[in-house]
Amino acid sequence: ETGVTQSPTHLIKTRGQQVTLRCSSQSGHNTVSWYQQALGQGPQFIFQYYREEENGRGNFPPRFSGLQFPNYSSELNVNALELDDSALYLCASSHSGYRRDTEAFFGQGTRLTVV
Amino acid sequence: DQQVKQNSPSLSVQEGRISILNCDYTNSMFDYFLWYKKYPAEGPTFLISISSIKDKNEDGRFTVFLNKSAKHLSLHIVPSQPGDSAVYFCAASGLDTGKLIFGQGTTLQVKP
Repeated sequence: ETGVTQSPTHLIKTRGQQVTLRCSSQSGHNTVSWYQQALGQGPQFIFQYYREEENGRGNFPPRFSGLQFPNYSSELNVNALELDDSALYLCASSHSGYRRDTEAFFGQGTRLTVV
Repeated sequence: DQQVKQNSPSLSVQEGRISILNCDYTNSMFDYFLWYKKYPAEGPTFLISISSIKDKNEDGRFTVFLNKSAKHLSLHIVPSQPGDSAVYFCAASGLDTGKLIFGQGTTLQVKP
């Protein structure tokens, strides 16, 4: 049983650029959630994908978008990067979109730095 | 609008003693609460959870207490071990949603 893997682990981008972060969900999981964790803060919910459809969104602007693929892996895209987008981006996979995330498994995160 | 708050950024305890981590929430619609542990360079790991229909849940050295009237939960670790040193996040969710609202985290240091 493979765990949740995210790529890349670290990334440096320039303000105004676009970035794509990737997440491979755990085997058997059909739900992926993305979180942003700024320094010294707890993770903040960005959105969740369940069976390739967006299933809830947090308070993030439209320039944060995502995709889920038939194999349930997922991408997070951020356009027009701003300095405040610098954070750790976490992906969590779980079995069902409406269950409690008691069995959500997090990846190690992607550290994005915007300069 | 911080719906889940962990007011203590850090806590230091001696090995073998009890660690008590606290968490307050404001949204009465939350009905499920979780604790996650996070080591540096790793993602959060699920530790223990509690439903709002209970006031206590135990798993080995870890116990979570929920006081709904005070909108307060706490995590007790007994006995504390140096390997417990990590950042602990409490999180909450409401009905029909997989969205988790996290607190800011408390860094626990257990000294040998």
